[in-house]
Amino acid sequence: LAKTTQPISMDSYEGQEVNITCSHNNIATNDYITWYQQFPSQGPRFIIQGYKTKVTNEVASLFIPADRKSSTLSLPRVSLSDTAVYYCLVGGSSNTGKLIFGQGTTLQVKP
Amino acid sequence: SQTIHQWPATLVQPVGSPLSLECTVEGTSNPNLYWYRQAAGRGLQLLFYSVGIGQISSEVPQNLSASRPQDRQFILSSKKLLLSDSGFYLCAWSVDRGSGELFFGEGSRLTVL
Repeated sequence: LAKTTQPISMDSYEGQEVNITCSHNNIATNDYITWYQQFPSQGPRFIIQGYKTKVTNEVASLFIPADRKSSTLSLPRVSLSDTAVYYCLVGGSSNTGKLIFGQGTTLQVKP
Repeated sequence: SQTIHQWPATLVQPVGSPLSLECTVEGTSNPNLYWYRQAAGRGLQLLFYSVGIGQISSEVPQNLSASRPQDRQFILSSKKLLLSDSGFYLCAWSVDRGSGELFFGEGSRLTVL
């Protein structure tokens, strides 16, 4: 299984763009990369998922280089409500169903 | 549409007492099911996962157990709780052989005193 490594914490200010990078050096050929957002006392919520290149939806963009050994979640113009823990999860190719989260990145958005 | 429910939402139990947390999924069949635990201020620890009825894989040796008596039902149990079992327990499901996208329940907060 691909192990993921993210920064433990990041600080930003309202209106700024935030980029959170996740390393996953041993990603398998058929693995997908999925990012989640978690608020206190809630389950993680899906943000975005990708396999390669760039994916964009209404809340974020996901950049994946050609070697797929890392990925970057980009949050445009963050607000105070984006303060949360962000996890990247790599998996899906294994038929064992095993999905393990890394330690996550705590993003603190300041006014 | 698919939904996932887990209960109870909150419980306070004495050390040595039993535990049963239940999770059900609706609107899908043959999902992969997961139990995660989150200690205060920590990340998500995978406890158990299941790819089918009666098929349980354990990730962390401990005094907890899991069962899947029906396709869309996942139960987390303990015969005797420890103080270290306190935490936020999350049930989740994913599509069998899918991309790994997980859908989480509302969580159950367990406090062991």
